[in-house]
Amino acid sequence: AQSVTQPDIHITVSEGASLELRCNYSYGATPYLFWYVQSPGQGLQLLLKYFSGDTLVQGIKGFEAEFKRSQSSFNLRKPSVHWSDAAEYFCAVGAQNTDKLIFGTGTRLQVFP
Amino acid sequence: EAQVTQNPRYLITVTGKKLTVTCSQNMNHEYMSWYRQDPGLGLRQIYYSMNVEVTDKGDVPEGYKVSRKEKRNFPLILESPSPNQTSLYFCASSPSRPGNIQYFGAGTRLSVL
Repeated sequence: AQSVTQPDIHITVSEGASLELRCNYSYGATPYLFWYVQSPGQGLQLLLKYFSGDTLVQGIKGFEAEFKRSQSSFNLRKPSVHWSDAAEYFCAVGAQNTDKLIFGTGTRLQVFP
Repeated sequence: EAQVTQNPRYLITVTGKKLTVTCSQNMNHEYMSWYRQDPGLGLRQIYYSMNVEVTDKGDVPEGYKVSRKEKRNFPLILESPSPNQTSLYFCASSPSRPGNIQYFGAGTRLSVL
């Protein structure tokens, strides 16, 4: 069955520290992979996406993610976290000819000054 | 400005009182979808629509109805709301098949007493 797993429910980091949010997927077809961010009281905003090509993708707000097919992973990274990055982050997987986007359960990021 | 607009943003109602949450997009997208977001469960798809007059069930359709009479609008109808439908609801749209980038509304927080 198709699924997305975000193993970390809640992560706390200090401002300025590096960040890595994990995402593992199970998908039979060649996946499209996404990271969305949800700030408090807001909808979901697309951070970055992977469709094909270079497996290291750059997104908005200084985020990047690396697609590793052998590990079925698409981890999100940022070298230096800012207090404004505190939010909930969702990984999602789809494909070119599918009828739905499958979301993970989310990781809540807390940033301490 | 390209956007997905949901109304109302907040709604408190009582069990059994019919309600409609509206969703409108101005991007001429073919695909629209409704999700509910619950703690620990991430986003679960309720219904989706591939085009005008074409709708289909998602993962959690029970207790909900939708219609797609115009391309830009995709209202969510709760004929007889129950407390277990208390949730945060998101409408999303996509230019083509939904396994691609989706654009989200700001959300509707519904409480059913």
